[in-house]
Amino acid sequence: QAVVTQEPSLTVSPGGTVTLTCGSSTGAVTSGHYPYWFQQKPGQAPKTLIYETRNKHSWTPARFSGSLLGGRAALTLSGAQPEDEADYYCLLHYSGPWVFGGGTKLTVL
Amino acid sequence: EVQLVESGGGLVQPGGSLRLSCAASGFIFSNYVMNWVRQAPGKGLEWVANIQPDGSEKSYGDSVKGRFTISRDNANNALYLQMNSLRAEDSALYYCAGGSKCGSWGQGTLVTVSS
Repeated sequence: QAVVTQEPSLTVSPGGTVTLTCGSSTGAVTSGHYPYWFQQKPGQAPKTLIYETRNKHSWTPARFSGSLLGGRAALTLSGAQPEDEADYYCLLHYSGPWVFGGGTKLTVL
Repeated sequence: EVQLVESGGGLVQPGGSLRLSCAASGFIFSNYVMNWVRQAPGKGLEWVANIQPDGSEKSYGDSVKGRFTISRDNANNALYLQMNSLRAEDSALYYCAGGSKCGSWGQGTLVTVSS
């Protein structure tokens, strides 16, 4: 089974910009992996922020955006807010199974 | 309002079985891929299995393949996970997730495998 890698932790200042990335042990992440991004706050179920690389749900704040960057999937947060402090997970599709990354703990400080 | 409600979790001995259910409402259940995702205490998310809208195709994570079976009942808007040969490492909060672009998640049902 493929391994999906994320930064274990990142810190961003309020109002700042940060990019979280998601890599695959099989090579470059492409749109064919249909990257998803999820946000999870303590004690809550995950919330889907981004689907299929860059598409947002109606509830996804405009400050979040998804892309492909240097062979990895990327989630960029522009203008971080205190409420964005959470764990973020990416999910990639591998022609059958899906695999989550280990998650990135984002601190807004 | 879209809603996913899991049930069926509990305490089970190693080697035992458990069947989880997920009741869906507020959307056309039969149109969408549905997933089971789990999260061990203090750990990250792990994708467990999914099933196509008509139930024709199912996929499983390596850690559960051959032990777990996903199924659905579109007439009753229900998703299931039959878990056999349970191990301590299967202990987790099990989420049902799906709907349009995997936009909906339940609150989870807790499975504890322990003697």
